[in-house]
Amino acid sequence: AQTVTQSQPEMSVQEAETVTLSCTYDTSENNYYLFWYKQPPSRRMILVIRQEAYKQQNATENRFSVNFQKAAKSFSLKISDSQLGDTAMYFCAFKRMNRDDKIIFGKGTRLHILP
Amino acid sequence: NAGVTQTPKFRVLKTGQSMTLLCAQDMNHEYMYWYRQDPGMGLRLIHYSVGEGTTAKGEVPDGYNVSRLKKQNFLLGLESAAPSQTSVYFCASSTRDRLNQPQHFGDGTRLSIL
Repeated sequence: AQTVTQSQPEMSVQEAETVTLSCTYDTSENNYYLFWYKQPPSRRMILVIRQEAYKQQNATENRFSVNFQKAAKSFSLKISDSQLGDTAMYFCAFKRMNRDDKIIFGKGTRLHILP
Repeated sequence: NAGVTQTPKFRVLKTGQSMTLLCAQDMNHEYMYWYRQDPGMGLRLIHYSVGEGTTAKGEVPDGYNVSRLKKQNFLLGLESAAPSQTSVYFCASSTRDRLNQPQHFGDGTRLSIL
């Protein structure tokens, strides 16, 4: 069975700093997808960034980038120049690349951006 | 576009009462999901559906039932509510066409069982 582990329940950083959120996963699959979701206080979860396991290049979306280490089964999220609006819960998620469309979520990291 | 809409947004029930949570999506997505979110537990899948008329159990299905009579709607029912079902419930949907597409979430329903 696949599992996703986020080892940092809560983090705080000053505005404009760079912060890295950790995520590790366990799977025997070779092809899969990884996601980072953001859940702001408004509660609706939104996709931050995604990575296909067959792509070696790390995904980047503006200030958000990932460090995907397939052999180590690690998928960390880096937020550069952090902003107050980045304050949220962040969930790492895993999906297998087949007809089974279930997504496995980690327990989340609560990120506080301090003014 | 409305995306994924959940009703109601808040509800308080007494133990033993029943209720139905409604999820509607306007994106013509094939897959729909119900999750519950509890502090320190992340999101746990209750039930999901890969198409109209089909449902399947997720990680924590006990005490819940679902129905997918129409493609755009996915209903979550609590037949006899228990305090352990106090949680925030999220509905999500996704397309079958491209497997790397993320799930789209609703705003959640905060349910309290007294």
